[in-house]
Amino acid sequence: DTGVSQNPRHKITKRGQNVTFRCDPISEHNRLYWYRQTLGQGPEFLTYFQNEAQLEKSRLLSDRFSAERPKGSFSTLEIQRTEQGDSAMYLCASGRGVDNYGYTFGSGTRLTVV
Amino acid sequence: ILNVEQSPQSLHVQEGDSTNFTCSFPSSNFYALHWYRWETAKSPEALFVMTLNGDEKKKGRISATLNTKEGYSYLYIKGSQPEDSATYLCAPKWNTNAGKSTFGDGTTLTVKP
Repeated sequence: DTGVSQNPRHKITKRGQNVTFRCDPISEHNRLYWYRQTLGQGPEFLTYFQNEAQLEKSRLLSDRFSAERPKGSFSTLEIQRTEQGDSAMYLCASGRGVDNYGYTFGSGTRLTVV
Repeated sequence: ILNVEQSPQSLHVQEGDSTNFTCSFPSSNFYALHWYRWETAKSPEALFVMTLNGDEKKKGRISATLNTKEGYSYLYIKGSQPEDSATYLCAPKWNTNAGKSTFGDGTTLTVKP
């Protein structure tokens, strides 16, 4: 297993465009998380899945953000009508249901909205 | 919103110095706490998971303690090396929502040779 994979690594987009990121978790992990991180801040929770079920979505997240995990494997995060404030590092992590292992993070997708 | 505070925000030490940083969190309904190390251009990496009051964990020169009654955890690095330079994140969970971790803003450690 090669760990958690995120694509693309970097994305530059114009304000108002839609973007989609992909995350491939560790295959035996049933939980998948999306976090967003901006400079000087810790990762901020966006949403998480257990298998294909989206169990929680942050109340801070606008309706422009949507995430899916259709077959309980990979996940996509879409941002519609991007704004400059969406510029951030988007981190995906996967984990088991038990806590002893923590999360395994991907390398992140760096989004820049110009 | 459950507030997780880490201090100091950044720290510069000389190689060989020992150092420690603090993570403070609401103690009510505590479930578990993870420490992560995040090196530049890499992914955050889990260091420890701590669940019980009085827990002490150690990995090489790095150790951590946990006080769930007062809501804090300390991370210690003995004899810092340049390769310890990273941002150290703590991430507690609470029984009210044990499905996800809430991260602090981290302590960024720079170890000068």
